Amino acid sequence: DQQVKQNSPSLSVQEGRISILNCDYTNSMFDYFLWYKKYPAEGPTFLISISSIKDKNEDGRFTVFLNKSAKHLSLHIVPSQPGDSAVYFCAAASTGANSKLTFGKGITLSVRP
Amino acid sequence: GAGVSQSPSNKVTEKGKDVELRCDPISGHTALYWYRQSLGQGLEFLIYFQGNSAPDKSGLPSDRFSAERTGGSVSTLTIQRTQQEDSAVYLCASSFSYLNTGELFFGEGSRLTVL
Repeated sequence: DQQVKQNSPSLSVQEGRISILNCDYTNSMFDYFLWYKKYPAEGPTFLISISSIKDKNEDGRFTVFLNKSAKHLSLHIVPSQPGDSAVYFCAAASTGANSKLTFGKGITLSVRP
Repeated sequence: GAGVSQSPSNKVTEKGKDVELRCDPISGHTALYWYRQSLGQGLEFLIYFQGNSAPDKSGLPSDRFSAERTGGSVSTLTIQRTQQEDSAVYLCASSFSYLNTGELFFGEGSRLTVL
């Protein structure tokens, strides 16, 4: 029972273009969402987050959009750079007691020079 | 360094043997988490600690898996009688609190291969 779904396993974009990474969730109790980035042989690192009281959060080249009615969020990277090539994990949590992060399977982003 | 430290980074073992994986969290972080990533899969939650207690053990796959945390710091994940399906990268993370509105800081992981 996958509560956080990243249905596309990979994405390839040209340097300078926009990368759009999608994520869907099924648990309506989730109210906090995060994106993590992972390079090979390293642990995931936090990228950006959004609370369910917002529909957009921006940090430099990275913007996360949340559509609660559709239970969908997306990460936009503009402009994409070769150094952005990594695996991106979507994660969600319910901020009640004993919450934990539930992760998707990840999307491998390749940015072509 | 000041990050989450895990050891060993790589472990190859024979089926049926026991293994111990160690995690040293960031100093001052009260919450500690164990996740694993099997080939082609996402990060699967195993267990988390708040201090020395484990409020949520729901992700442990079987009773062959156990974890403890002593002194509110170092944690050990033990897998008894390892099976081939236990092969995965085991990731430890820590954070200031258990509410998960803050980021988790991950270690580099321990890659376990069961032959």
